[in-house]
Amino acid sequence: GEEVAQTPKHLVRGEGQKAKLYCAPIKGHSYVFWYQQVLKNEFKFLISFQNENVFDETGMPKERFSAKCLPNSPCSLEIQATKLEDSAVYFCASSPAQTGGYTFGSGTRLTVV
Amino acid sequence: AQTVTQSQPEMSVQEAETVTLSCTYDTSESDYYLFWYKQPPSRQMILVIRQEAYKQQNATENRFSVNFQKAAKSFSLKISDSQLGDAAMYFCAYRSRDDMRFGAGTRLTVKP
Repeated sequence: GEEVAQTPKHLVRGEGQKAKLYCAPIKGHSYVFWYQQVLKNEFKFLISFQNENVFDETGMPKERFSAKCLPNSPCSLEIQATKLEDSAVYFCASSPAQTGGYTFGSGTRLTVV
Repeated sequence: AQTVTQSQPEMSVQEAETVTLSCTYDTSESDYYLFWYKQPPSRQMILVIRQEAYKQQNATENRFSVNFQKAAKSFSLKISDSQLGDAAMYFCAYRSRDDMRFGAGTRLTVKP
């Protein structure tokens, strides 16, 4: 499709529970990115993929966050043992090349209570 | 890491007037792209305009245009004939082969 599909739109988890977010990039887009946007509106880069390979993971808090992009499956971002400060909107974006613009998904709002 | 600075946390404009949002960036790269994204209350990120660094001509998309000053590393967005629907957060973004960064955003209010 011509849009980046993120599911679910909203997710509520109790502190300590696991959260899993999904992203289907635009067909033909080789690059997938995950960003975290907290209430202050700042975008924090988490991780990027080139096809199924991690391209850049310098933003990932690795002790609790993991991500995958497997062939023929939506990409996923998983947070083990969520904390209150993980509450944010998580955006996925894809692009066809290493440069140029992204197309963003509509985001998943994660609320940790 | 490259930095992107939006020095105006908030801006206000009267409907039908023109407003300019500022953005500066820091880079040692010669090949990169610059973008302005709009984020309305729905949180959807919408690409407004893009500029390739190698192009000297300023990009224009209908009422939106940029003033790209490569030597000064400045990339401002001008919105002409502002409309109520233009009210949103606007993010300036920089992308090179290895990096993409966003500014902190400017909240634009449009007064009727």
